Amino acid sequence: QKEVEQDPGPLSVPEGAIVSLNCTYSNSAFQYFMWYRQYSRKGPELLMYTYSSGNKEDGRFTAQVDKSSKYISLFIRDSQPSDSATYLCAMSGPSGGYQKVTFGTGTKLQVIP
Amino acid sequence: DGGITQSPKYLFRKEGQNVTLSCEQNLNHDAMYWYRQDPGQGLRLIYYSQIVNDFQKGDIAEGYSVSREKKESFPLTVTSAQKNPTAFYLCASSISGSEQYFGPGTRLTVT
Repeated sequence: QKEVEQDPGPLSVPEGAIVSLNCTYSNSAFQYFMWYRQYSRKGPELLMYTYSSGNKEDGRFTAQVDKSSKYISLFIRDSQPSDSATYLCAMSGPSGGYQKVTFGTGTKLQVIP
Repeated sequence: DGGITQSPKYLFRKEGQNVTLSCEQNLNHDAMYWYRQDPGQGLRLIYYSQIVNDFQKGDIAEGYSVSREKKESFPLTVTSAQKNPTAFYLCASSISGSEQYFGPGTRLTVT
């Protein structure tokens, strides 16, 4: 079993839809959770960075962490064609010294005009 | 502008040749990382460095080497010992370790 599981998609939605992207994980030591957006043939761009459980909102993006269920989500409201990309979740353990970041394999999203 | 640069964007080499990928950052980050990305797989850590003149092997270090002589620079050499070198290589840097910022990547093709 992989430490981080992410549905590869592709996920196709119409423009304006609310998108829900999800990851599950098995390592209860993870405390830092990230979402990256990666356009084709580009480097990943950090979208959201959260610590422990709860929600964090930034514009049209909301990151949600449920540590009890070992489940994280990224919601995109009013999705746009420019949101079409692969979304990677990532997570790491407690701070103090080097903590390896474990990445999901990514979910490919296509927003159709 | 602060950021991470990687060069070249595309690189072609013949099998048996060593090749060095460049990574430079002006974010004043202490830590730097090299990942490899293959289709359908997550990012796999090759090497990381938390401080100048020190670096550690990641999960797939065999066939790769690095140096960290300056805080801003973390070049990666793909040696002829790497059995499947064709891939997309990503460099990243961070202050704390978790919040990593990536460069644009170098696509290496070995034939």
